[in-house]
Amino acid sequence: SQQGEEDPQALSIQEGENATMNCSYKTSINNLQWYRQNSGRGLVHLILIRSNEREKHSGRLRVTLDTSKKSSSLLITASRAADTASYFCATDQFNDYKLSFGAGTTVTVRA
Amino acid sequence: NAGVTQTPKFQVLKTGQSMTLQCAQDMNHEYMSWYRQDPGMGLRLIHYSVGAGITDQGEVPNGYNVSRSTTEDFPLRLLSAAPSQTSVYFCASADTVGYGYTFGSGTRLTVV
Repeated sequence: SQQGEEDPQALSIQEGENATMNCSYKTSINNLQWYRQNSGRGLVHLILIRSNEREKHSGRLRVTLDTSKKSSSLLITASRAADTASYFCATDQFNDYKLSFGAGTTVTVRA
Repeated sequence: NAGVTQTPKFQVLKTGQSMTLQCAQDMNHEYMSWYRQDPGMGLRLIHYSVGAGITDQGEVPNGYNVSRSTTEDFPLRLLSAAPSQTSVYFCASADTVGYGYTFGSGTRLTVV
């Protein structure tokens, strides 16, 4: 079974608005990553946050991690049409080399 | 620097046929993985490798074999194709655990 679960499944926003999506996971993790997938393409790594970190920024991306709630959120600020994609969280666990993905959130940014 | 290269990009197989999906990376990454992506199910791990000569099973290994004779290559073999193996297959590599993976562009496989 998959470790991560994203919420919502789909999100539609206006250009310039912020987009927030959440990821919940079942068991303790070592690292949590977020990836973007444009339609018909491979996944692109966006950001990685370690279990001892609470927040991380990269450009217009902000990721938070709450290990007590086993959840993470990805915020995209000032969204653009180019942000239209599916976003996946992925986790790995201590002493385990497998990277497990959730089912993803599909984000549509309307012009 | 090509990253992760997957071939072929598209393939149609008949039930019972076998084939090998190729994956090569030129970043000297130790970690390599194969995933399949089906609608609404995200990515599921098939097999992975933490270095040359070392492979292990992921979440959905049945019907697939892998080998890792070199750091660069990680081929995925379908032993006897079934319609349930119709999917998009992604190969990915990383320096080590705790680093972001680089993904290939995928192989779209249809089994009829």
